[in-house]
Amino acid sequence: AQSVAQPEDQVNVAEGNPLTVKCTYSVSGNPYLFWYVQYPNRGLQFLLKYITGDNLVKGSYGFEAEFNKSQTSFHLKKPSALVSDSALYFCAVRDRIFGSARQLTFGSGTQLTVLP
Amino acid sequence: EAGVTQFPSHSVIEKGQTVTLRCDPISGHDNLYWYRRVMGKEIKFLLHFVKESKQDESGMPNNRFLAERTGGTYSTLKVQPAELEDSGVYFCASSYISGSNEKLFFGSGTQLSVL
Repeated sequence: AQSVAQPEDQVNVAEGNPLTVKCTYSVSGNPYLFWYVQYPNRGLQFLLKYITGDNLVKGSYGFEAEFNKSQTSFHLKKPSALVSDSALYFCAVRDRIFGSARQLTFGSGTQLTVLP
Repeated sequence: EAGVTQFPSHSVIEKGQTVTLRCDPISGHDNLYWYRRVMGKEIKFLLHFVKESKQDESGMPNNRFLAERTGGTYSTLKVQPAELEDSGVYFCASSYISGSNEKLFFGSGTQLSVL
C-alpha cells in the first residue's frame, strides 16, 4: 500500500523568508510525486510533479520540490514567501507500476500562513 | 474554458436523509474521479470513471454510496441514507490524458455536513 505523510498541520513563515512544507511517502515501487494547492473556496490546483530525471522539480508560482529517494521525501520549497502563498498544500503519490488505476494517495494537508 | 464544476457547494442534511452531489467535468475529459476529505484528514480516492464506465470503485466506503455517469458526461454521487461520518468535502476531478502525463483538474468541492 502507498501512503503520504505531511508531518506539519500548520506552517507559519514571514513574508520574504524561505518556506518549506514537508512530505514523506511510501510506495512499493518507484513513485510519481505531486504537490497541489488549495486556495479558499477553490479546487485543488496542480503545482508540480516528479516523474523522472532531475531530482529538483520547478513548478508554478516559483515553487520547487526536491525528490530524495534515500529519505523518501519530496519537500516543497520556495526561496521567498509571499502573503498570497497562504493556502492549504497537499502532497500526493502514485505508484508507477502498481498505480494502474491512477488514483492518487494524498497527505492530510499543511496549512501555510505567510505573515506580512 | 470552463473548469470542473460541482454542485452544490455546501449541503447540510440530517442523518438518514439522501443527498446527491453533482460534478460537471471539463468538456472532452473521459476520466472522472471522486475524492473525499473527512475531518481535515487525507483526501481519499472514491472511484474513477472512464466515460460512462466505472474503472475503479475500490475507494467507495459502503453500499450507501452510489455513483453514476450516464452518457459519459456529468456524474452524480448519491449518499442514501447519510450518516454522521459521511460529513466532509467531496471533490471531483477530470482529465483527458492517462499515464505519466495525466493532469487532474479539480472542482472546488462540495462541503457536506450531516447532522
